[in-house]
Amino acid sequence: QKEVEQDPGPLSVPEGAIVSLNCTYSNSAFQYFMWYRQYSRKGPELLMYTYSSGNKEDGRFTAQVDKSSKYISLFIRDSQPSDSATYLCAMTPVNQAGTALIFGKGTTLSVSS
Amino acid sequence: DVKVTQSSRYLVKRTGEKVFLECVQDMDHENMFWYRQDPGLGLRLIYFSYDVKMKEKGDIPEGYSVSREKKERFSLILESASTNQTSMYLCASSFIRDQETQYFGPGTRLLVL
Repeated sequence: QKEVEQDPGPLSVPEGAIVSLNCTYSNSAFQYFMWYRQYSRKGPELLMYTYSSGNKEDGRFTAQVDKSSKYISLFIRDSQPSDSATYLCAMTPVNQAGTALIFGKGTTLSVSS
Repeated sequence: DVKVTQSSRYLVKRTGEKVFLECVQDMDHENMFWYRQDPGLGLRLIYFSYDVKMKEKGDIPEGYSVSREKKERFSLILESASTNQTSMYLCASSFIRDQETQYFGPGTRLLVL
C-alpha cells in the first residue's frame, strides 16, 4: 500500500461547482498536511497547510483533516476556470531537519466556463 | 519574492552523456530538494539536502548523484544518462523551521535519446 493515495482524475466540472479533492494515507504519524497547486508547465506552489486535525478556510478554499479516518480533503467553492490545475496533497510526520514531504500523485481538475 | 531558478527549461542529451542540472535559490533556505515528475507516477523525491555538503537519499536515488557546495546551489548529476531518465525535473527549497512551504522552480524537461 502506498503511503499517500490520491485519485488522479481527471475531474471536470462546470464553473461555479463545488469541488472536493481527497487523499488517504496510511502512516498515523503524519501531523502536517498540505495542498499544492500546479498549473501546466509550472512548478507546484503551496495553497494551504493544516497542522493535525480540523478545518482551515482561505477564501473559496477549505482544507479538512480527519486523522481518525486518515483522510484529508480540499474543497473549492464557486470554482473558476482559473482553478484548472493539478492539485497535490502532501504530508509529513514532523517539522525537523532531514524530513521530506510525502506527495500524492495529484488530481487534475478542469473547470469549464 | 522567493525565487528558485533552474539552469535550463528544456534539455536534450544522448544516452551515456553526463548531465548536470543546476538549481539556485535566493532565500537562504537550508533545505533543497530534487524531484522528478512523470505522468501517472507523480512527484518522486530523488535527493534532498538540509545543509551544505549534506545529502539524503530520497525514494529513487539510483542513477543520480547530487552536490551542494554552497547553501544557495544544489546540483543534480546524471552520471550516464539513460532513456528512462527522460522526465521533468523539479527543484525545490524551504526553511527547516517551515518545511511545509516548499518553493519550486519552473522545472527542466529532459529528453534522453
